[in-house]
Amino acid sequence: EPEVTQTPSHQVTQMGQEVILRCVPISNHLYFYWYRQILGQKVEFLVSFYNNEISEKSEIFDDQFSVERPDGSNFTLKIRSTKLEDSAMYFCASSAPGPSLEQYFGPGTRLTVT
Amino acid sequence: GDSVTQMEGPVTLSEEAFLTINCTYTATGYPSLFWYVQYPGEGLQLLLKATKADDKGSNKGFEATYRKETTSFHLEKGSVQVSDSAVYFCALSDPNRDDKIIFGKGTRLHILP
Repeated sequence: EPEVTQTPSHQVTQMGQEVILRCVPISNHLYFYWYRQILGQKVEFLVSFYNNEISEKSEIFDDQFSVERPDGSNFTLKIRSTKLEDSAMYFCASSAPGPSLEQYFGPGTRLTVT
Repeated sequence: GDSVTQMEGPVTLSEEAFLTINCTYTATGYPSLFWYVQYPGEGLQLLLKATKADDKGSNKGFEATYRKETTSFHLEKGSVQVSDSAVYFCALSDPNRDDKIIFGKGTRLHILP
């Protein structure tokens, strides 16, 4: 069964460093998403992406964040200058065209900023 | 804004016990409701969904009914198994407005053999 994959599974970085989290969505999906979950808190929507542009973003998704689909398979989330409060589990998701309502999630990348 | 509230965990039950995980929501429109499950080391998986009032979603012995009058979507299972141990997330989405999913905090479920 097709699945969304994410790498790395755990990333440790120092405050102020740039990180890139990578996702490979399901191959025929056209809608892509990033969510995050700070430990002990809710899973929060960050951004949705369709047709090579951001379709919606939350107030969390400030200028420090960016997303890109650099080729036909990868979908990346970049944090330019990490802060301690960026430590969280980051989930990528994708969905197929049409009103299926189902977003398929990856296993997540745990980001630890020290 | 729209929100989801679910019962705090962890919930610990013995195998074959009856499970209820409460979930209520606040929404301005007519959302679709979901339960997602996260098994250890894995991603979020859609467990079941309901798209309109009085719909019942069901999967793997789990059920939840969309109750508009009480704004609830409680998850139930008649007889839990050790393999049901996971974190369960109640969630909503309003596809008429956007496609983002709004999640509850999650409830960790431990089933003892």
